[in-house]
Order: sequence, then C-alpha cells, then structure tokens
Amino acid sequence: QQPVQSPQAVILREGEDAVINCSSSKALYSVHWYRQKHGEAPVFLMILLKGGEQKGHEKISASFNEKKQQSSLYLTASQLSYSGTYFCGTEKADSNYQLIWGAGTKLIIKP
Amino acid sequence: DAGITQSPRHKVTETGTPVTLRCHQTENHRYMYWYRQDPGHGLRLIHYSYGVKDTDKGEVSDGYSVSRSKTEDFLLTLESATSSQTSVYFCAISESMAGEYNEQFFGPGTRLTVL
Repeated sequence: QQPVQSPQAVILREGEDAVINCSSSKALYSVHWYRQKHGEAPVFLMILLKGGEQKGHEKISASFNEKKQQSSLYLTASQLSYSGTYFCGTEKADSNYQLIWGAGTKLIIKP
Repeated sequence: DAGITQSPRHKVTETGTPVTLRCHQTENHRYMYWYRQDPGHGLRLIHYSYGVKDTDKGEVSDGYSVSRSKTEDFLLTLESATSSQTSVYFCAISESMAGEYNEQFFGPGTRLTVL
C-alpha cells in the first residue's frame, strides 16, 4: 500500500522552512527519503530505521514516529538547490527487500 | 557518483514488439532493482535481484521479465510491449538489503514510448 505524502506541492521563498510528511497504514521497519530534480535520477537523502537510528546528509533532518507510522522531513533555511520532488520509500518488516514509494512532494524554491 | 549506466536512454517502439533494457554497474553491489516511474505513482518496483541468477518479482511485474547472468548486468525485458508500459524506467543498485543502512543509487533512466 502506497504511503501518503503531504503536501503534494509547496512553494517557498529562499530561506524559509518546510516540512514534508510521509504516512503509512502499515507497520514500518524503515523510511527512506530521496530527492529528484526534473529529468534526473532520484538521489538519496536519509534512511530512518525503527528504533531511532538514522543515516543521511548533515544538512537534512528527519524524524520517524513509530506509533503513528509517519516520517517527516525538515528542510530549514531552504536554498534554491533544494528545489525538486521529494519521495519517501517505506519498508515493512516482512517486505522482502521491497520499498513502496509515495507519489512525491514537489518543492519549488523562489529567490 | 555510483557507476550505473542504462541503455538505451530513449526508445520508441511499437505495440507487440519485445524490448530489452540494460542496466550496468561498476560498483560490484549485490542488489539491483528495476523501477518504473509514472506521474502520480512515484516509483514502482518491477523486479529485483539479490545475486547472480537470483531474482524476484516486485509489485508491478506482469508483462516484464529479468535476467542477471553477471553481477554487473541486470536486463529488463518487455515480452510484448503495450502502450501502458510507456514510462521512465530506472535501475537502482544497493550494497545491502533495504532496511539496513542501504541507500539505493539510481541510474539515469530510460524513457520508453510504446506506440
């Protein structure tokens, strides 16, 4: 079952903050975050594991609420380079290596 | 950047013809994946491989087959292309299985149009 991302799109001014959410109806083992610029491949941002461990870029922060099966990606002091579409990929404990991806959140940063 | 290439990068074909897409990696990663990306659906897993000759189905595998005879190559075949298979296809690789610290590295994508 595809996780639900919100909002679907957001427009910011450079320097503003944004939060992107990813919710699942299934119990999750991990959540992955990627960013994709138009015409390019997705690029890894963060992995959050059940239990609190995480790995990712220093300038990106995220949280994983295991009780709510929800993850949030925090983009602070946004830069023009943050523009793109953000995808979350969720993994269930019994998923056998598979990630199920959300439909994406389009982020537009204006100068 | 991870060494992943896909070929061809663009292809136009006709309904009913077989099509093979190739993914080649130079990272010696064990896991390889084929996704399709369509507006409103994000990425959907077609097939994946966890080793040479070890493959399994993803969520949208109907109409597709794969083969992996070497660590570095993962082939996706559309047995008889249909217009619903018009999409952008991404190959991805990872060193370990999803759920561990296992980021996936994506290839540049293949844009396939089936007329």
